[in-house]
Amino acid sequence: GDSVTQMEGPVTLSEEAFLTINCTYTATGYPSLFWYVQYPGEGLQLLLKATKADDKGSNKGFEATYRKETTSFHLEKGSVQVSDSAVYFCAVAYSGAGSYQLTFGKGTKLSVIP
Amino acid sequence: SQTIHQWPATLVQPVGSPLSLECTVEGTSNPNLYWYRQAAGRGLQLLFYSVGIGQISSEVPQNLSASRPQDRQFILSSKKLLLSDSGFYLCAWSVFRGTEAFFGQGTRLTVV
Repeated sequence: GDSVTQMEGPVTLSEEAFLTINCTYTATGYPSLFWYVQYPGEGLQLLLKATKADDKGSNKGFEATYRKETTSFHLEKGSVQVSDSAVYFCAVAYSGAGSYQLTFGKGTKLSVIP
Repeated sequence: SQTIHQWPATLVQPVGSPLSLECTVEGTSNPNLYWYRQAAGRGLQLLFYSVGIGQISSEVPQNLSASRPQDRQFILSSKKLLLSDSGFYLCAWSVFRGTEAFFGQGTRLTVV
């Protein structure tokens, strides 16, 4: 079945540092890819998405590019802020042959210190 | 706009007691609905999904069940809770299968 592997955390960065959280996936067909963010004690919020190869999703300074050749969807931000401290989940959605899967990685906890 | 409501936000229940968590969606019709569980330090596990009233698919065998009595209502239940049922439960909806899902605020369940 589909699976998502993302870098394990926790990740601790200083404010204004560059962020990369790696994500790779295995899936059949042409899945859609997502990054979600979860702030403490809250549900998940969709951060960005990409639905086909070479698409770049972006939101709030975060970016990720759908790389089909490397089956990757790495999350990047040029300058993180304390308010970006949260858990980030990579996810892949695939629908076909009567089944549905929205599969998540295990999450990467990011802490940004002033 | 669409909104999703999930309650209660926190719940402490004794082992062996029943459970009922409710989720409702507003502003859309015939959504796909999902229940996920997030255990401490782990990712999200899909428990159930539903594509319509009375249609429930279970992803993993467990002590829980789900029901969809109305188009925009999704209920997670248990007759007798186990300690291992503790976790953070998230309801979500999507327009179609294979698209992004939108999550509720979650319910923190502690079984004691």
